[in-house]
Amino acid sequence: AQSVTQLDSHVSVSEGTPVLLRCNYSSSYSPSLFWYVQHPNKGLQLLLKYTSAATLVKGINGFEAEFKKSETSFHLTKPSAHMSDAAEYFCVVSVGPSGGYNKLIFGAGTRLAVHP
Amino acid sequence: EAGVAQSPRYKIIEKRQSVAFWCNPISGHATLYWYQQILGQGPKLLIQFQNNGVVDDSQLPKDRFSAERLKGVDSTLKIQPAKLEDSAVYLCASSFPQAGNTIYFGEGSWLTVV
Repeated sequence: AQSVTQLDSHVSVSEGTPVLLRCNYSSSYSPSLFWYVQHPNKGLQLLLKYTSAATLVKGINGFEAEFKKSETSFHLTKPSAHMSDAAEYFCVVSVGPSGGYNKLIFGAGTRLAVHP
Repeated sequence: EAGVAQSPRYKIIEKRQSVAFWCNPISGHATLYWYQQILGQGPKLLIQFQNNGVVDDSQLPKDRFSAERLKGVDSTLKIQPAKLEDSAVYLCASSFPQAGNTIYFGEGSWLTVV
């Protein structure tokens, strides 16, 4: 069965320091993995996605994630946090075989707080 | 390119009343999803359409929730009768059908049941 585990429900960093949001996945197929961000009272916005090309994926707003098959991980990082990064972040796996239906499984989310 | 449109954005109803949410997906997207997001949790898939057919409705509480996509474009999600625990954000999303395609979300319809 496919699943996603976000290892931290809350992460707090100071502005200008690195951000690390951890995600582990389980999938029977070669997975497609995503990170979405949700700002308060807003919809979900795609940050980046991995679909079996380069293992290091660069996204918007300076975020990047590295796919590590041996560790079944897809951690999200950013070198320097900005106040505007404060939001809820979701790690997501797209399940289904190649050519199969597109379906997402969400992690429980990590709330990122950024302090001045 | 226009995004996924949802309405209404906010709705407050009393328990046992009914409510309907509307979604218009991105043009050309055959797959349409309705997710329920309860405060503090990740979104949970309620129903997934491929054109006007249902692909997955295994987590839809069918005694009170219904959804349709009659012409394979826009969709309506209905709750009748509503319960207090239905208070949540209802997110509509759309994508091209194949696994791995980006799924685009609307801004959500916020439901409060009192």
